[in-house]
Amino acid sequence: DQQVKQNSPSLSVQEGRISILNCDYTNSMFDYFLWYKKYPAEGPTFLISISSIKDKNEDGRFTVFLNKSAKHLSLHIVPSQPGDSAVYFCAASDEDSGGSNYKLTFGKGTLLTVNP
Amino acid sequence: ETGVTQSPTHLIKTRGQQVTLRCSSQSGHNTVSWYQQALGQGPQFIFQYYREEENGRGNFPPRFSGLQFPNYSSELNVNALELDDSALYLCASSVLRGPLNEQFFGPGTRLTVL
Repeated sequence: DQQVKQNSPSLSVQEGRISILNCDYTNSMFDYFLWYKKYPAEGPTFLISISSIKDKNEDGRFTVFLNKSAKHLSLHIVPSQPGDSAVYFCAASDEDSGGSNYKLTFGKGTLLTVNP
Repeated sequence: ETGVTQSPTHLIKTRGQQVTLRCSSQSGHNTVSWYQQALGQGPQFIFQYYREEENGRGNFPPRFSGLQFPNYSSELNVNALELDDSALYLCASSVLRGPLNEQFFGPGTRLTVL
């Protein structure tokens, strides 16, 4: 029972173009969402997050959109750069889980390749 | 300010053996969470430790256990290793009830069970 789904295992984009990574979730109790980037031999690093009270959050080249009714979020990277090539994980949290804000639930990840 | 470190980097064990993985928290953090990332999967929550006690647990059997020490470093112990335990084990340190986006991950320990 996968509560966070990233249905695209991989995505290839040309440098300078937009990268759009998608994520769907099934648990309506999730109220905080995060995107992590992971390079080989490194741990995931936080990229950007969004609370369920918002529908958009922007940080430089990265924007996350949340559609609560569709239980869908997406990460937009504009413009894409070769250094963005990595695995991107979508993660979600349910603050009602004891109020201790633990237990991130991750998707399987999408491998983004940005070609020069 | 040092980041989250894990040791060893790689480990090979045989089925039935026991293993201990170690994690040093980022300075100022009092909470450690452990995740298992199997090949082709996302990280899956194992458990979290705060003030040397387990503070929440995912869907993992009791042969997965942990410790947290007064300096907030942590160990993950796995008994009676099974082939399916082969995975990357990640620890993440944070401040309890702190911002979720301030949970920092270590580079992981790659465990192979033969």
